[in-house]
Amino acid sequence: GEEVAQTPKHLVRGEGQKAKLYCAPIKGHSYVFWYQQVLKNEFKFLISFQNENVFDETGMPKERFSAKCLPNSPCSLEIQATKLEDSAVYFCASSPPGQGAFPLHFGNGTRLTVT
Amino acid sequence: AQSVTQPDIHITVSEGASLELRCNYSYGATPYLFWYVQSPGQGLQLLLKYFSGDTLVQGIKGFEAEFKRSQSSFNLRKPSVHWSDAAEYFCAVVNAGGTSYGKLTFGQGTILTVHP
Repeated sequence: GEEVAQTPKHLVRGEGQKAKLYCAPIKGHSYVFWYQQVLKNEFKFLISFQNENVFDETGMPKERFSAKCLPNSPCSLEIQATKLEDSAVYFCASSPPGQGAFPLHFGNGTRLTVT
Repeated sequence: AQSVTQPDIHITVSEGASLELRCNYSYGATPYLFWYVQSPGQGLQLLLKYFSGDTLVQGIKGFEAEFKRSQSSFNLRKPSVHWSDAAEYFCAVVNAGGTSYGKLTFGQGTILTVHP
């Protein structure tokens, strides 16, 4: 499609529960990125993929967060045993090949609320 | 460390007035520069980008931005603001070289309010 599609829009989980977020990148884009927006305006890079391969995962809290981009499936970001501080809006973005993976096209985000 | 500063947290303008949103960055190398807009409950929409070449770039919705290397700035401008421009605006920067693929550094955002 022509837009990055993220599902669900909202997700509510009790502390300790698992959360799984999905992202369908724009067709033809090679790169997928996950960002976390906390406190309304602070963006944190989590992980990037080049096709189905992890490109950069330096932002991931690896003990509880994992992500995949498998062929012919939406990409996913999974949080095991959620904590209150995981409450945030999670944005997925994709970008075309070349030009250093820019510009990024963002989806509308998934708002995760951990109670 | 790389940083992006948007000095104005909140700006209010009247509809039809001109607008300038400031963005300063601290980078050791040639940057790629972007402005995104976020409406409430929405994702980030790319307004414009600068990679190289002409330092005055045109974007969507009548926005433009000027890259000034000497001032490490990339200010966003619009000659006449419309009520629909009310949103939050983010400046973002990345190192053009190296392996910073997609690792944008965002400013803190500027909330724009438009009075009728």
